[in-house]
Order: sequence, then structure tokens, then C-alpha cells
Amino acid sequence: AQSVTQPDIHITVSEGASLELRCNYSYGATPYLFWYVQSPGQGLQLLLKYFSGDTLVQGIKGFEAEFKRSQSSFNLRKPSVHWSDAAEYFCAVGPEGPGDDKIIFGKGTRLHILP
Amino acid sequence: EAGVTQFPSHSVIEKGQTVTLRCDPISGHDNLYWYRRVMGKEIKFLLHFVKESKQDESGMPNNRFLAERTGGTYSTLKVQPAELEDSGVYFCASTAGPNEQFFGPGTRLTVL
Repeated sequence: AQSVTQPDIHITVSEGASLELRCNYSYGATPYLFWYVQSPGQGLQLLLKYFSGDTLVQGIKGFEAEFKRSQSSFNLRKPSVHWSDAAEYFCAVGPEGPGDDKIIFGKGTRLHILP
Repeated sequence: EAGVTQFPSHSVIEKGQTVTLRCDPISGHDNLYWYRRVMGKEIKFLLHFVKESKQDESGMPNNRFLAERTGGTYSTLKVQPAELEDSGVYFCASTAGPNEQFFGPGTRLTVL
């Protein structure tokens, strides 16, 4: 069965510092991988996705993620965070294929930004 | 193009009452999904409609939850009677095809 692990529940970084949010997944085949962000009072917004091809994926808002099959990881990175990046970030995997379209989410990582 | 919309944004009810959540998918999207996040837990799949048919309802927690999608457009999720553990944020998502799902802002349900 698919699963997603985000080992960090909370992360605090200073504005302007670099960021890496960790994500590990369990999946039987080549996964579809996503990072979503939920800002306060907002819905889930897709930051980026990986389906196939180049393992370094660029997303919106200056985020990128790298798919590493050998480590079953899909970590999210940003070279310099802004105060507006304070939000909750969700790594997700899926869908598994025809007849099973659900997305499996991790528990989320809440990002706090220090001024 | 309008995104996925959900109504209400917040709902506070007492245990034993009934609540109906509504989701309007992106126009033309045949696939509609409901997810839920209870406090401190991950976002979990509830069910999937293809047009008006339930494709997968394996995530529905119990028979107090009833989802409908009449005419293959908007969907409702009714909780009757509501229990304390039903509190959480209910998300709706839609897609025209496989893979990327577009999420709505969610409905925060509080059961007192």
C-alpha cells in the first residue's frame, strides 16, 4: 500500500535562509508525486508535481523538488525563504492507476519563518 | 476559469445535528473527490465520483456519511447525525483526467 512520511511536523527557518522539507514514500511502481501548500485560510495549492522524466522538478514560488528513487524521497527545497512562505506543506503520492485515483498525503510540515 | 468552490467555509453544529457540505467542481471536470483532515492527522480520501456515479467510496468512515452528485455537477456530503470525531476540514477536488487534482478551499466543520 502507498504511504507518505513527512518526518518533520514543524520547521522554523529565518527569512532569507534556505529550506528543505523531507518526504519519503512507499509505492510499488514509479510514483506520481506532489507537493501541496496550504496557507492560513486558504485551500490546497499545488506547488509542483513529478510524473516522469527529469528528476529535478521546478514549481511555483521558487520551489523545487528532487525525486530520488534509490532513497524513495521527494524533498522540497527553496534557496531563500520569504515570510509569505509560512504555511503547511503536504507531500503526496498517487494515484495508483485506473480504478484507484485517490491521492495519499503525508501528515504535513508546518513552516515557521523568523524575521 | 473558476476553481473548485466549497460551501460553507465554516460550520459549527452540535452533536446529533445534520450538516450538508457542498462542492462545485471546475466546469467540465467529470471526476470529483472528497477528502477529510481531522485534527493532527493526514488528509484522507473519502470517495470519488465519476460524473454521477461513485467510483470508489472506500474511505467513507461509516454510514452516517452520505455523498451525492446529482446530474454529475455539484456534489453534497451529508453527515447525519454528526459526532464529535467528525470535526475537521473537508476538502473537495476535481479533475478532468488522471493525476492532477485541483482542490477547493475546504469546509471547516466543528461538532460541539
